[in-house]
Amino acid sequence: AQSVSQHNHHVILSEAASLELGCNYSYGGTVNLFWYVQYPGQHLQLLLKYFSGDPLVKGIKGFEAEFIKSKFSFNLRKPSVQWSDTAEYFCAVNGNTGFQKLVFGTGTRLLVSP
Amino acid sequence: NAGVTQTPKFRVLKTGQSMTLLCAQDMNHEYMYWYRQDPGMGLRLIHYSVGEGTTAKGEVPDGYNVSRLKKQNFLLGLESAAPSQTSVYFCASTSLEAQPQHFGDGTRLSIL
Repeated sequence: AQSVSQHNHHVILSEAASLELGCNYSYGGTVNLFWYVQYPGQHLQLLLKYFSGDPLVKGIKGFEAEFIKSKFSFNLRKPSVQWSDTAEYFCAVNGNTGFQKLVFGTGTRLLVSP
Repeated sequence: NAGVTQTPKFRVLKTGQSMTLLCAQDMNHEYMYWYRQDPGMGLRLIHYSVGEGTTAKGEVPDGYNVSRLKKQNFLLGLESAAPSQTSVYFCASTSLEAQPQHFGDGTRLSIL
């Protein structure tokens, strides 16, 4: 069965600090990988996705993620966070079997202090 | 652009009561999903549907039923609500080609 691990449950940063959130998955086949963000009181929004090709994926709002197949990882990064990045971040994976069944990590709460 | 619409947004129930949550999407998506979100547990899949008239169990289906009578609607039912079902419920949909799921705004459900 697929599973997703997000190692950081809570992260507190000051504005302009760099961010890296870890995500590891377990699945033996080809995968599609996603990062979603949930701002306080809102629904999940897609930040970025990886299906194939260049393992360095750029998303919205200056976020990027790198797929490292050998490490089963898909870490999210941002060089300089802003107060508005305060949110909960979810990594998700689905096996590339043609069926869209996502497995989510438990999420990382990011608090950016001004 | 409506996207995925969930009703109601908030509801308080007493233990043993029943209710139905409605999810409607206007994107002609084949796949629809119901998740529950609980603190520290991320999103867990309750039930899903791969098309009109079809439903299947997800990770945590007990205590819930679903129906997909129309392609655009996916209903989640609680026949006899229990306090353990207090949660935020999210509906999502996606097409065969466009893999990212589109989420609704959620329904906050409290069972007393």
